[in-house]
Amino acid sequence: SAVISQKPSRDICQRGTSLTIQCQVDSQVTMMFWYRQQPGQSLTLIATANQGSEATYESGFVIDKFPISRPNLTFSTLTVSNMSPEDSSIYLCSVTGEWGWTEAFFGQGTRLTVV
Amino acid sequence: KNEVEQSPQNLTAQEGEFITINCSYSVGISALHWLQQHPGGGIVSLFMLSSGKKKHGRLIATINIQEKHSSLHITASHPRDSAVYICAVNGGGADGLTFGKGTHLIIQP
Repeated sequence: SAVISQKPSRDICQRGTSLTIQCQVDSQVTMMFWYRQQPGQSLTLIATANQGSEATYESGFVIDKFPISRPNLTFSTLTVSNMSPEDSSIYLCSVTGEWGWTEAFFGQGTRLTVV
Repeated sequence: KNEVEQSPQNLTAQEGEFITINCSYSVGISALHWLQQHPGGGIVSLFMLSSGKKKHGRLIATINIQEKHSSLHITASHPRDSAVYICAVNGGGADGLTFGKGTHLIIQP
Protein backbone atom coordinates (compact mmCIF):
# COMPACT_ATOMS: atom_id res chain seq x y z
CA SER A 1 0.00 0.00 0.00
CA ALA A 2 0.98 3.66 -0.18
CA VAL A 3 0.27 7.02 1.40
CA ILE A 4 0.75 10.04 -0.85
CA SER A 5 1.33 13.55 0.43
CA GLN A 6 0.49 16.15 -2.19
CA LYS A 7 1.01 19.87 -1.85
CA PRO A 8 -0.12 22.53 -2.12
CA SER A 9 -3.74 21.56 -1.51
CA ARG A 10 -4.96 24.67 -3.25
CA ASP A 11 -3.61 27.86 -4.78
CA ILE A 12 -4.81 30.95 -6.58
CA CYS A 13 -2.32 32.11 -9.21
CA GLN A 14 -1.96 34.97 -11.62
CA ARG A 15 -2.07 34.20 -15.33
CA GLY A 16 1.33 33.89 -16.91
CA THR A 17 2.95 32.44 -13.78
CA SER A 18 3.91 28.84 -13.00
CA LEU A 19 3.03 26.52 -10.13
CA THR A 20 4.89 23.41 -9.06
CA ILE A 21 2.93 20.61 -7.37
CA GLN A 22 4.77 18.03 -5.30
CA CYS A 23 3.89 14.43 -4.45
CA GLN A 24 5.74 12.36 -1.89
CA VAL A 25 4.99 8.64 -1.53
CA ASP A 26 5.84 6.70 1.61
CA SER A 27 7.15 3.72 -0.36
CA GLN A 28 9.16 3.20 -3.52
CA VAL A 29 6.99 2.91 -6.63
CA THR A 30 7.83 2.27 -10.24
CA MET A 31 5.46 4.72 -11.89
CA MET A 32 3.63 7.82 -10.75
CA PHE A 33 0.73 9.24 -12.71
CA TRP A 34 -0.46 12.83 -12.98
CA TYR A 35 -4.11 13.57 -13.72
CA ARG A 36 -6.18 16.68 -14.34
CA GLN A 37 -9.82 17.08 -13.41
CA GLN A 38 -11.41 20.09 -15.03
CA PRO A 39 -14.56 21.52 -13.43
CA GLY A 40 -17.46 19.12 -13.77
CA GLN A 41 -15.36 16.62 -15.70
CA SER A 42 -13.73 13.30 -14.92
CA LEU A 43 -10.02 12.74 -14.55
CA THR A 44 -7.71 12.76 -17.56
CA LEU A 45 -4.20 11.37 -17.58
CA ILE A 46 -1.57 14.04 -18.22
CA ALA A 47 1.57 11.94 -18.07
CA THR A 48 3.38 9.04 -16.49
CA ALA A 49 6.45 9.95 -14.45
CA ASN A 50 9.23 7.39 -14.70
CA GLN A 51 12.33 7.47 -12.51
CA GLY A 52 15.49 7.89 -14.56
CA SER A 53 13.79 8.73 -17.85
CA GLU A 54 11.61 11.35 -19.46
CA ALA A 55 7.95 11.43 -18.56
CA THR A 56 5.51 9.96 -21.06
CA TYR A 57 2.82 12.46 -22.06
CA GLU A 58 -0.70 11.73 -23.28
CA SER A 59 -2.08 13.26 -26.43
CA GLY A 60 -2.89 16.91 -25.88
CA PHE A 61 -0.31 17.45 -23.15
CA VAL A 62 3.23 18.68 -23.80
CA ILE A 63 6.40 18.88 -21.75
CA ASP A 64 6.81 22.64 -22.19
CA LYS A 65 3.44 23.24 -20.56
CA PHE A 66 3.58 20.47 -17.93
CA PRO A 67 7.22 19.68 -17.12
CA ILE A 68 7.59 16.74 -14.74
CA SER A 69 10.47 15.68 -12.54
CA ARG A 70 11.00 12.25 -10.97
CA PRO A 71 14.32 12.39 -9.14
CA ASN A 72 13.79 9.17 -7.16
CA LEU A 73 11.30 6.37 -6.56
CA THR A 74 9.28 8.24 -3.90
CA PHE A 75 8.91 11.78 -5.26
CA SER A 76 7.63 13.65 -8.30
CA THR A 77 6.71 17.18 -9.26
CA LEU A 78 4.37 18.56 -11.91
CA THR A 79 4.72 22.18 -13.00
CA VAL A 80 1.88 24.02 -14.69
CA SER A 81 3.65 26.66 -16.77
CA ASN A 82 2.55 30.01 -18.18
CA MET A 83 -0.89 29.52 -16.66
CA SER A 84 -4.16 30.74 -18.11
CA PRO A 85 -7.68 30.54 -16.63
CA GLU A 86 -8.24 27.37 -18.69
CA ASP A 87 -5.68 25.63 -16.46
CA SER A 88 -8.00 26.02 -13.46
CA SER A 89 -8.55 22.41 -12.39
CA ILE A 90 -7.82 19.86 -9.72
CA TYR A 91 -4.49 18.14 -10.30
CA LEU A 92 -3.88 14.74 -8.71
CA CYS A 93 -0.99 12.34 -8.52
CA SER A 94 -1.58 8.62 -8.22
CA VAL A 95 0.26 5.36 -7.89
CA THR A 96 -1.07 1.97 -8.91
CA GLY A 97 -0.11 -1.30 -10.47
CA GLU A 98 2.71 -2.34 -8.21
CA TRP A 99 2.95 -6.11 -7.83
CA GLY A 100 0.62 -7.37 -5.11
CA TRP A 101 -1.35 -4.16 -4.80
CA THR A 102 -5.11 -4.41 -4.74
CA GLU A 103 -6.00 -0.77 -5.11
CA ALA A 104 -4.95 2.58 -6.55
CA PHE A 105 -3.75 5.41 -4.32
CA PHE A 106 -4.27 9.11 -4.87
CA GLY A 107 -2.86 12.30 -3.46
CA GLN A 108 -5.30 14.71 -1.87
CA GLY A 109 -5.36 16.86 -4.99
CA THR A 110 -4.31 20.43 -5.75
CA ARG A 111 -7.18 22.78 -6.52
CA LEU A 112 -5.73 25.44 -8.82
CA THR A 113 -7.51 28.66 -9.72
CA VAL A 114 -5.91 30.96 -12.29
CA VAL A 115 -7.09 34.56 -12.30
CA LYS B 1 -8.15 3.99 -26.48
CA ASN B 2 -10.64 2.63 -23.97
CA GLU B 3 -14.03 4.28 -23.72
CA VAL B 4 -15.57 4.03 -20.25
CA GLU B 5 -19.29 4.67 -19.87
CA GLN B 6 -21.06 4.97 -16.54
CA SER B 7 -24.74 5.09 -15.75
CA PRO B 8 -26.62 6.75 -14.32
CA GLN B 9 -24.84 10.13 -14.25
CA ASN B 10 -26.96 11.31 -11.34
CA LEU B 11 -28.92 9.30 -8.80
CA THR B 12 -31.02 10.45 -5.85
CA ALA B 13 -32.42 7.80 -3.55
CA GLN B 14 -33.94 7.43 -0.10
CA GLU B 15 -32.00 6.07 2.83
CA GLY B 16 -32.16 2.29 2.92
CA GLU B 17 -32.56 1.77 -0.81
CA PHE B 18 -30.45 -0.67 -2.82
CA ILE B 19 -28.22 1.24 -5.24
CA THR B 20 -26.69 -0.01 -8.49
CA ILE B 21 -24.17 1.89 -10.61
CA ASN B 22 -23.08 0.44 -13.94
CA CYS B 23 -19.86 0.72 -15.91
CA SER B 24 -19.00 -0.57 -19.38
CA TYR B 25 -15.77 -0.32 -21.30
CA SER B 26 -14.77 -0.91 -24.89
CA VAL B 27 -11.36 -2.61 -24.80
CA GLY B 28 -10.05 -5.52 -22.74
CA ILE B 29 -8.41 -4.56 -19.46
CA SER B 30 -6.16 -5.93 -16.75
CA ALA B 31 -8.14 -4.39 -13.89
CA LEU B 32 -11.13 -2.21 -13.11
CA HIS B 33 -11.30 0.18 -10.17
CA TRP B 34 -14.26 1.61 -8.34
CA LEU B 35 -13.41 4.91 -6.66
CA GLN B 36 -15.25 7.31 -4.38
CA GLN B 37 -14.73 11.06 -4.58
CA HIS B 38 -16.05 13.40 -1.91
CA PRO B 39 -16.81 17.12 -2.43
CA GLY B 40 -13.34 18.17 -1.24
CA GLY B 41 -11.85 16.30 -4.19
CA GLY B 42 -10.11 13.47 -2.38
CA ILE B 43 -10.38 10.05 -4.03
CA VAL B 44 -10.60 6.78 -2.15
CA SER B 45 -10.23 3.37 -3.72
CA LEU B 46 -13.18 1.05 -3.05
CA PHE B 47 -12.35 -2.00 -5.16
CA MET B 48 -9.95 -3.29 -7.73
CA LEU B 49 -11.36 -6.16 -9.81
CA SER B 50 -9.97 -8.39 -12.49
CA SER B 51 -12.70 -11.04 -12.30
CA GLY B 52 -15.73 -12.14 -10.31
CA LYS B 53 -17.08 -10.34 -7.31
CA LYS B 54 -15.83 -8.54 -4.21
CA LYS B 55 -17.66 -7.43 -1.08
CA HIS B 56 -16.67 -4.94 1.57
CA GLY B 57 -19.25 -4.09 4.18
CA ARG B 58 -22.34 -2.79 2.38
CA LEU B 59 -20.54 -2.46 -0.94
CA ILE B 60 -20.44 -5.17 -3.60
CA ALA B 61 -18.64 -4.96 -6.93
CA THR B 62 -18.95 -7.40 -9.81
CA ILE B 63 -17.29 -7.64 -13.18
CA ASN B 64 -18.09 -9.63 -16.33
CA ILE B 65 -14.94 -9.71 -18.43
CA GLN B 66 -16.63 -11.21 -21.49
CA GLU B 67 -19.30 -8.53 -21.55
CA LYS B 68 -16.87 -5.75 -20.53
CA HIS B 69 -19.23 -4.63 -17.78
CA SER B 70 -19.04 -3.98 -14.06
CA SER B 71 -21.55 -2.98 -11.41
CA LEU B 72 -21.21 -1.39 -8.00
CA HIS B 73 -23.99 -2.10 -5.52
CA ILE B 74 -24.68 -0.38 -2.21
CA THR B 75 -27.02 -2.18 0.18
CA ALA B 76 -28.97 -0.33 2.90
CA SER B 77 -27.79 3.03 1.58
CA HIS B 78 -27.08 5.84 4.04
CA PRO B 79 -26.68 9.61 3.62
CA ARG B 80 -22.95 9.26 4.28
CA ASP B 81 -22.75 7.24 1.03
CA SER B 82 -23.47 10.48 -0.86
CA ALA B 83 -20.48 11.06 -3.12
CA VAL B 84 -19.32 10.72 -6.71
CA TYR B 85 -18.55 7.11 -7.67
CA ILE B 86 -16.07 6.67 -10.48
CA CYS B 87 -15.25 3.62 -12.55
CA ALA B 88 -11.70 3.49 -13.95
CA VAL B 89 -9.94 0.85 -16.03
CA ASN B 90 -6.31 -0.14 -16.38
CA GLY B 91 -5.01 -1.57 -19.61
CA GLY B 92 -2.01 -3.07 -17.86
CA GLY B 93 1.71 -2.46 -17.96
CA ALA B 94 2.69 1.19 -17.83
CA ASP B 95 -0.83 2.44 -18.55
CA GLY B 96 -2.47 4.93 -16.27
CA LEU B 97 -6.18 4.72 -15.57
CA THR B 98 -8.98 5.71 -17.94
CA PHE B 99 -11.91 7.13 -16.04
CA GLY B 100 -15.65 7.21 -16.51
CA LYS B 101 -17.46 10.50 -15.98
CA GLY B 102 -18.69 9.43 -12.56
CA THR B 103 -22.07 8.93 -10.91
CA HIS B 104 -23.20 11.66 -8.53
CA LEU B 105 -25.12 9.85 -5.78
CA ILE B 106 -27.28 11.60 -3.21
CA ILE B 107 -28.93 9.59 -0.42
CA GLN B 108 -31.68 11.49 1.33
CA PRO B 109 -32.63 10.74 4.94
